[in-house]
Amino acid sequence: QLQQSGPGLVKPSQTLSLTCAISGDSVSSNSAAWNWIRQSPSRGLEWLGRTYYRSKWYYDYAVSVKSRITINPDTSKNQFSLQLHSVTPEDTAVYYCARYLYGYRFWGQGTLVTVSS
Amino acid sequence: DIVMTQSPLSLPVTPGEPASISCRSSQSLLHSNGNNYLDWYLQKPGQSPQVLINVSSTRASGVPDRISGSGSGTYFTLKISRVEPEDVGVYYCMQALETPLTFGQGTKLEIK
Repeated sequence: QLQQSGPGLVKPSQTLSLTCAISGDSVSSNSAAWNWIRQSPSRGLEWLGRTYYRSKWYYDYAVSVKSRITINPDTSKNQFSLQLHSVTPEDTAVYYCARYLYGYRFWGQGTLVTVSS
Repeated sequence: DIVMTQSPLSLPVTPGEPASISCRSSQSLLHSNGNNYLDWYLQKPGQSPQVLINVSSTRASGVPDRISGSGSGTYFTLKISRVEPEDVGVYYCMQALETPLTFGQGTKLEIK
């Protein structure tokens, strides 16, 4: 299971930070990948990036956010996080964490993040 | 990026009748290992998406056998043999061949 946490309101130009706590699996799994996806009426479902461990940590990011995004695993807490810097109102969306292994079989509950002053 | 195009975008169906959704990709999703990296998801109202099918035709656990996926290369289909009220929601195809992973626009299935 995946449990998301983080604020639902972020001011423009600030950093959006969300955390996804994992239970029943390990962020260091050698088979799963840990993803962040967002959904908005204007963009639909948009994959933002992922991290995964295969003897070392790998990171992939969408080009559209690559200059602003950081996804970090935290093995001590068995969780992973999303940071999106310099947000604008266009970053307003429902953000999901999700585990990919034979499809996205586990999703977080979703967090509506509104970017507004 | 691989562009995913679904049709139709709206699908009204009478309960008990079949339904079919098409998904086309701008590039082949066939990997050298023989798998087509195409997934299908259903997002029910107010919920996170849930996986139905992965690698084009493998049903996820708990998915009824009246739901099936097929296709290869750039053309894929999701079929529901007999629509039930619980099937209402938005269906998405998604390519998992390469990053960025990309989704179709969604097909809204509603009951007539």
